[in-house]
Amino acid sequence: DSGVTQTPKHLITATGQRVTLRCSPRSGDLSVYWYQQSLDQGLQFLIQYYNGEERAKGNILERFSAQQFPDLHSELNLSSLELGDSALYFCASSQGVSSDTDTQYFGPGTRLTVL
Amino acid sequence: QKEVEQDPGPLSVPEGAIVSLNCTYSNSAFQYFMWYRQYSRKGPELLMYTYSSGNKEDGRFTAQVDKSSKYISLFIRDSQPSDSATYLCAMSDTTGANSKLTFGKGITLSVRP
Repeated sequence: DSGVTQTPKHLITATGQRVTLRCSPRSGDLSVYWYQQSLDQGLQFLIQYYNGEERAKGNILERFSAQQFPDLHSELNLSSLELGDSALYFCASSQGVSSDTDTQYFGPGTRLTVL
Repeated sequence: QKEVEQDPGPLSVPEGAIVSLNCTYSNSAFQYFMWYRQYSRKGPELLMYTYSSGNKEDGRFTAQVDKSSKYISLFIRDSQPSDSATYLCAMSDTTGANSKLTFGKGITLSVRP
């Protein structure tokens, strides 16, 4: 168990809908990262927050947004969902701000299915 | 061409075999190299981390980096059924403030008892 929690575990929704994925980092970790994993694209970095501020951005669509709250938990909002958004969404956390030298601990993921 | 290419697999070996997993990359700015292991229905976990060219050993695992060839490898000695998982290489550069991990697509390894 990495200490990172994600809810829900599974989410099934329809095209055009909006969903929110939630992540609680390990105790003491200030950075939260969001990743999308699909069979064709692999694991792709979406966005990083450090202590409430956006730190780095990857291949995140404009329909997706995230935020980190004062208690350091984070939410990833996905809107106007398309079939292609079906994937596993992982949250990871680390102590510091550097995505390369700080070990990232991954949560168990949320499996999103868009019908 | 993707920044990081990884042999697609899957790979099936008998217990006790030596396994070699490889990734190539195109971005010369990559400085940090990692291997993650992902069991079925779990999140990835960091297995090995290297910064410079050369070898790094940890138990049955050896990570090798050849920056001149833009090639990294993970060797698993005396492979065990518990090593059955998907292995992802990852790398990062330190240029600019937008440091991020770039992953290979992963290779699924199955070790037969």
